[in-house]
Amino acid sequence: NAGVTQTPKFQVLKTGQSMTLQCAQDMNHNSMYWYRQDPGMGLRLIYYSASEGTTDKGEVPNGYNVSRLNKREFSLRLESAAPSQTSVYFCASTQGVGQYFGPGTRLTVT
Amino acid sequence: AQSVTQLDSHVSVSEGTPVLLRCNYSSSYSPSLFWYVQHPNKGLQLLLKYTSAATLVKGINGFEAEFKKSETSFHLTKPSAHMSDAAEYFCVVSLNYGGSQGNLIFGKGTKLSVKP
Repeated sequence: NAGVTQTPKFQVLKTGQSMTLQCAQDMNHNSMYWYRQDPGMGLRLIYYSASEGTTDKGEVPNGYNVSRLNKREFSLRLESAAPSQTSVYFCASTQGVGQYFGPGTRLTVT
Repeated sequence: AQSVTQLDSHVSVSEGTPVLLRCNYSSSYSPSLFWYVQHPNKGLQLLLKYTSAATLVKGINGFEAEFKKSETSFHLTKPSAHMSDAAEYFCVVSLNYGGSQGNLIFGKGTKLSVKP
């Protein structure tokens, strides 16, 4: 049981490049989430998917898109990366109360 | 609206002394509250959760938290700090209504340092 997995662990992009962060969970959870973590800010919700086939914006969705590919997978796409998107990105999932987090992706945009 | 405030951005204690990390919340509904811990360069781990059962909640690694509705507080405590407790701790409230049910609101975090 791997829990929540994320790829890649690290990524460096140039401004304007695009990339997709992958997330998968093997706990059969309905809900999945993408957060970004910046120093002194805690975690802020980017997008979430309450169930397969649905996605909704969180607190900071601008510059991102998501796809809930199936119940297991929830990807986050940066179409045109900006230095302000330098951050650590966490994926999480839940079936009820409390969320389980992946190990994170550290993204740097130069 | 729901929100959570961690009153200290940094707490420093000596090994073997008590730990107190303070958290106040604001919620229009009965809240679910959590404490998560993040060790350096790691993901987040759930320490404990309150979901309207017992007000004193015991978590992993000897931590516990008490839900006090009159004070809107959910402070995290541990009787005796260990070097391995050095980490960042997040107080979190869960949205309990509507389409966003289950979504979490994070505090800004408290960095705990433990001196030998």
